[in-house]
Amino acid sequence: DAGVTQSPTHLIKTRGQQVTLRCSPKSGHDTVSWYQQALGQGPQFIFQYYEEEERQRGNFPDRFSGHQFPNYSSELNVNALLLGDSALYLCASSSRDRGFLETQYFGPGTRLLVL
Amino acid sequence: AQSVTQPDIHITVSEGASLELRCNYSYGATPYLFWYVQSPGQGLQLLLKYFSGDTLVQGIKGFEAEFKRSQSSFNLRKPSVHWSDAAEYFCAVGAGYGGSQGNLIFGKGTKLSVKP
Repeated sequence: DAGVTQSPTHLIKTRGQQVTLRCSPKSGHDTVSWYQQALGQGPQFIFQYYEEEERQRGNFPDRFSGHQFPNYSSELNVNALLLGDSALYLCASSSRDRGFLETQYFGPGTRLLVL
Repeated sequence: AQSVTQPDIHITVSEGASLELRCNYSYGATPYLFWYVQSPGQGLQLLLKYFSGDTLVQGIKGFEAEFKRSQSSFNLRKPSVHWSDAAEYFCAVGAGYGGSQGNLIFGKGTKLSVKP
């Protein structure tokens, strides 16, 4: 049973560019959440997708956007990259139907470096 | 506002010694509490979680945590540490929404080093 997968594993971009990160949830999961983990910090919630709609959003600017596809996979897009966007981006999946008690499973992350 | 505080940035223990990692939370309602572990280059793995009931929670890899409402704490413990436990540990509180598991608010983490 494949867990949460993310691509690419590493990425280098320059300021002002745009980036797209991808996530495939664990089999049977329909909800995807994205987190940003800066160096030396805990992960911070960006947003959550369910039924192809953004359901919750953390304190991140509109430069951060996402999408969820019918197969439940998801993309995170960041426009106009800033140096401060350099971080590990984590995707987590869960099953909404199982309610709040369902565990979120995290992928290995994509490390983004903005130069 | 909800928040999680992990007072210890870095802890070093000898292999075989006991371990306690501290976590304090601030949350208005009944908290849903989690401990995750992150090894270098890895994602987060859930060690244990508390939603309700018995305040002493058992997790994987021999870890346990105790919820103390009066102290707003959820400390992680292990009686005997193994070298493979060296990693970063994150405490989190769940801010549920609409009946599904909502966003998690994480502490800044405690890095555990294990001396041979």
